[in-house]
Amino acid sequence: QKEVEQNSGPLSVPEGAIASLNCTYSDRVSQSFFWYRQYSGKSPELIMSIYSNGDKEDGRFTAQLNKASQYVSLLIRDSQPSDSATYLCAVNRRSGTASKLTFGTGTRLQVTL
Amino acid sequence: GAGVSQTPSNKVTEKGKYVELRCDPISGHTALYWYRQSLGQGPEFLIYFQGTGAADDSGLPNDRFFAVRPEGSVSTLKIQRTERGDSAVYLCASSLTGTGGYTFGSGTRLTVV
Repeated sequence: QKEVEQNSGPLSVPEGAIASLNCTYSDRVSQSFFWYRQYSGKSPELIMSIYSNGDKEDGRFTAQLNKASQYVSLLIRDSQPSDSATYLCAVNRRSGTASKLTFGTGTRLQVTL
Repeated sequence: GAGVSQTPSNKVTEKGKYVELRCDPISGHTALYWYRQSLGQGPEFLIYFQGTGAADDSGLPNDRFFAVRPEGSVSTLKIQRTERGDSAVYLCASSLTGTGGYTFGSGTRLTVV
């Protein structure tokens, strides 16, 4: 079982729709969770972090965390063509201290006109 | 500097040669990380530094890989006797101690021929 699992996609959504990206993780002691966006040929860019169960909203993005189910998701509202990218889920066993992240393989999102 | 700087951006080397990849983190960031990313995969952890010392080098694949950060700022990843399987994008990231999210550099694309 992979430590962090994501559906590779592609996930195709029409412009203006909600894109829902999902991630599961295997290590129950994981404390902090991140979503990175990676455009083709570019490096990952941090877009959301979440540490507690529930929802966290930032603009068009909402991260959702359920530690009991070991599940974290990212919702993108009013999807735009510029959101087309690979979204990487990353997990850290620690919270508040520097340490390594474990990444999933990413989900490729395509927003169609 | 304003961001994480990695040089060179591209490196082509012959099998068996030695290479050095350089990372200049964001000024004031005490934590520095090296990852590598193969096509279609998420970033894979190699090593991270807290100040001058390697706090976790568990991701280094074998003893051909070594990294230093002698003054707690710039870091160099060194690969001896390169193999074709070492071909990947090598990503450096930095963060402030106490925060989990990283800022990645633009990466060095290493190709071993």
